[in-house]
Amino acid sequence: GAGVSQTPSNKVTEKGKYVELRCDPISGHTALYWYRQSLGQGPEFLIYFQGTGAADDSGLPNDRFFAVRPEGSVSTLKIQRTERGDSAVYLCASSLLTSGSRNEQFFGPGTRLTVL
Amino acid sequence: QKEVEQNSGPLSVPEGAIASLNCTYSDRGSQSFFWYRQYSGKSPELIMSIYSNGDKEDGRFTAQLNKASQYVSLLIRDSQPSDSATYLCAVRLTGFQKLVFGTGTRLLVSP
Repeated sequence: GAGVSQTPSNKVTEKGKYVELRCDPISGHTALYWYRQSLGQGPEFLIYFQGTGAADDSGLPNDRFFAVRPEGSVSTLKIQRTERGDSAVYLCASSLLTSGSRNEQFFGPGTRLTVL
Repeated sequence: QKEVEQNSGPLSVPEGAIASLNCTYSDRGSQSFFWYRQYSGKSPELIMSIYSNGDKEDGRFTAQLNKASQYVSLLIRDSQPSDSATYLCAVRLTGFQKLVFGTGTRLLVSP
């Protein structure tokens, strides 16, 4: 079946601009996660949605970062006033989070964001 | 102390050998442990999950968990050049759904 999809695959923007990154999870997966990965590092957690609500946003680095999941499926990560330090690969994952499930998370292909 | 630690490598093994990848974690209450494989320029791919002490085998892969020692490992038998990748250890901390990742171990399998 279809896996997690993310668009765009690459995004180049200028410092100070606004960007939106989109994630479409695996059909039926209730939980959705955003991570970002810098070169040579493991993915770093940003935010987790259970349904429409953000259940854990402890990883968002500052208030320039915001994410929504209005209908409990597709999610958008929004970054305002981008900075060069925001350059990274932004990864989305989803999982079937039900009672007794083990919360195996499956990743999309990622969006490579470059801030010039 | 980092929450999840891995040797960055590279770990070099000849084709056909056993590759042993190790990971330690600091949260003693953690219950869920995962190994992801990441090829250069690609996203992480889940290859093994383990939740109980002991071994779990899936094909050429064996995950081993020792909660008392806070240690999880991945063995790859009959290593192939196509196994050359970075292997990420991930831990789900007590009370959270997020995963905490190590920095990954780069594995190189030479023909």
